[in-house]
Amino acid sequence: AQKVTQAQTEISVVEKEDVTLDCVYETRDTTYYLFWYKQPPSGELVFLIRRNSFDEQNEISGRYSWNFQKSTSSFNFTITASQVVDSAVYFCALSPAGGTSYGKLTFGQGTILTVHP
Amino acid sequence: NAGVTQTPKFQVLKTGQSMTLQCAQDMNHEYMSWYRQDPGMGLRLIHYSVGAGITDQGEVPNGYNVSRSTTEDFPLRLLSAAPSQTSVYFCASSYFPGRGNYGYTFGSGTRLTVV
Repeated sequence: AQKVTQAQTEISVVEKEDVTLDCVYETRDTTYYLFWYKQPPSGELVFLIRRNSFDEQNEISGRYSWNFQKSTSSFNFTITASQVVDSAVYFCALSPAGGTSYGKLTFGQGTILTVHP
Repeated sequence: NAGVTQTPKFQVLKTGQSMTLQCAQDMNHEYMSWYRQDPGMGLRLIHYSVGAGITDQGEVPNGYNVSRSTTEDFPLRLLSAAPSQTSVYFCASSYFPGRGNYGYTFGSGTRLTVV
């Protein structure tokens, strides 16, 4: 069985602060994918990143960066110099990599990020 | 390119009524799935499909049926609505993972209330 835990239910920061959202996962699969999604107040789900389990390179995209550590089963997400527009619910998710199982996406409970001006 | 289209956006049902939530994608994605989002619980998988004619159950399938007769469409049927099915429903689709570094594309959601 798969499980994704986002221990931080809510985080509140002031604009320009850096913030890290934690994600810890459990799986018995040897290969899998990890994802992050953003859900702004408008309600849609926006894809941010997909990471394959055999690629442990960290990734940076503008103010966003992701730290994948297979040894600790963590896939943390950092926003540098946060902005008010970053306020949203952020979800970490996991799916097996193999064939039909890729369709079985398991989400964490989400972290509500509020960035104050 | 419309992406993933869900209809309706809002629906109120009476207990015991049945209805179908529609989902269509125009990206030729192989994978399609349905999730429900409840407060504090993230998104939970109801059913998913890896291609036309192939479906499987997710974490919370009871009370829901699906079929996939075409690549484009993946309707979700509520057989006999119950108040516990009050939720926001999302449809999602994706390429086969080997086709590129893509994620799932989600529809805009259907807010369902069962009274």
